Amino acid sequence: SQQGEEDPQALSIQEGENATMNCSYKTSINNLQWYRQNSGRGLVHLILIRSNEREKHSGRLRVTLDTSKKSSSLLITASRAADTASYFCATVFYNQGGKLIFGQGTELSVKP
Amino acid sequence: GAGVSQTPSNKVTEKGKYVELRCDPISGHTALYWYRQSLGQGPEFLIYFQGTGAADDSGLPNDRFFAVRPEGSVSTLKIQRTERGDSAVYLCASSSTQWDTQYFGPGTRLTVL
Repeated sequence: SQQGEEDPQALSIQEGENATMNCSYKTSINNLQWYRQNSGRGLVHLILIRSNEREKHSGRLRVTLDTSKKSSSLLITASRAADTASYFCATVFYNQGGKLIFGQGTELSVKP
Repeated sequence: GAGVSQTPSNKVTEKGKYVELRCDPISGHTALYWYRQSLGQGPEFLIYFQGTGAADDSGLPNDRFFAVRPEGSVSTLKIQRTERGDSAVYLCASSSTQWDTQYFGPGTRLTVL
């Protein structure tokens, strides 16, 4: 498989704490996208980071990309109960057109 | 503007029946993707359209699955002789180009009894 693993598989934290999720992959990418999913239905796009970028921010979200280690991290700062969801990273490989290859996801639980 | 829409939101059918799932992408998006997601798993790619043509159908599991996009906008995923193993949430996404953000619809939950 070209897609590696996300870790942790599950993460439980208190409101106000930071949450970090990691994603690894195996071959060169064009870009990497992070998504959030509630209740197993539609995926909400969070951030797209391209292979020539190292870090991107969006509100309380920070995504980093290390192409030498073939890994990415999603940091959610000052988490809220509403952040409880499954988080997926998905990669677009240069030789695979635009299709997204998803990891297994990280299930985040934020306790009030 | 309107996002990606999918109909029906839920579909229950019997083993052996034929089903059609519809996706209406964001207006102007030339790239359209179908994915399938089983419980507890990440979505798996099925097929990708660039305009009217299927640019990559390598994810279709077998020849019971077929998809069309005749006018380069709405797409229909067709499943013949459904099996219980086809039960999953079928997700559609669209993007302006193949290298840009993919926006997902709410999905169709297919249950094959």
